[in-house]
Amino acid sequence: QKEVEQDPGPLSVPEGAIVSLNCTYSNSAFQYFMWYRQYSRKGPELLMYTYSSGNKEDGRFTAQVDKSSKYISLFIRDSQPSDSATYLCAMSDTGGFKTIFGAGTRLFVKA
Amino acid sequence: KAGVTQTPRYLIKTRGQQVTLSCSPISGHRSVSWYQQTPGQGLQFLFEYFSETQRNKGNFPGRFSGRQFSNSRSEMNVSTLELGDSALYLCASSLRPGQGAYEQYFGPGTRLTVT
Repeated sequence: QKEVEQDPGPLSVPEGAIVSLNCTYSNSAFQYFMWYRQYSRKGPELLMYTYSSGNKEDGRFTAQVDKSSKYISLFIRDSQPSDSATYLCAMSDTGGFKTIFGAGTRLFVKA
Repeated sequence: KAGVTQTPRYLIKTRGQQVTLSCSPISGHRSVSWYQQTPGQGLQFLFEYFSETQRNKGNFPGRFSGRQFSNSRSEMNVSTLELGDSALYLCASSLRPGQGAYEQYFGPGTRLTVT
């Protein structure tokens, strides 16, 4: 079993939809949780960075961490065709010395 | 502020050759990490450098090596290239080591093709 599980998709939604992307993990030592967006032929771009449990909002993006369920989510409101990309979750332990990435979910937002 | 830069962006090599990739971190960032990204394995950690010292290493063979210079720029080297080394090699920088404890920013990557 992988330490971080992420459905690779692809996920296809119409423009304006609310998108929910999720990752589960097994290592309770993970304390830092990140979401990256990666466009084709580009490096990953840091979208959200959270510590421990709770929610964090940035514009159309909301990150949620539920440590009791070992489950993290990224919500995208009013999705746009420009949001079409691969979304990678990542998480790291307390010391930050071990970061594991999910496989990435490919998202397509149709105009 | 300029982002992380990587050179070259694309590289084609033959089996058995060696290759050196370069990474310049964001100004003020002193930690550089390297990752390999492939469709099958996803993003895998290679190593992390801080103050010219390797702080952490992933599970890759000794053919993969790296170094960091006093100006925080980093290079990674792959010797005796194999077909399976074909991948996107990504460099990421952060203020301090401990990849997760500080926000990490990636470069555009170097696409290596081994024939």
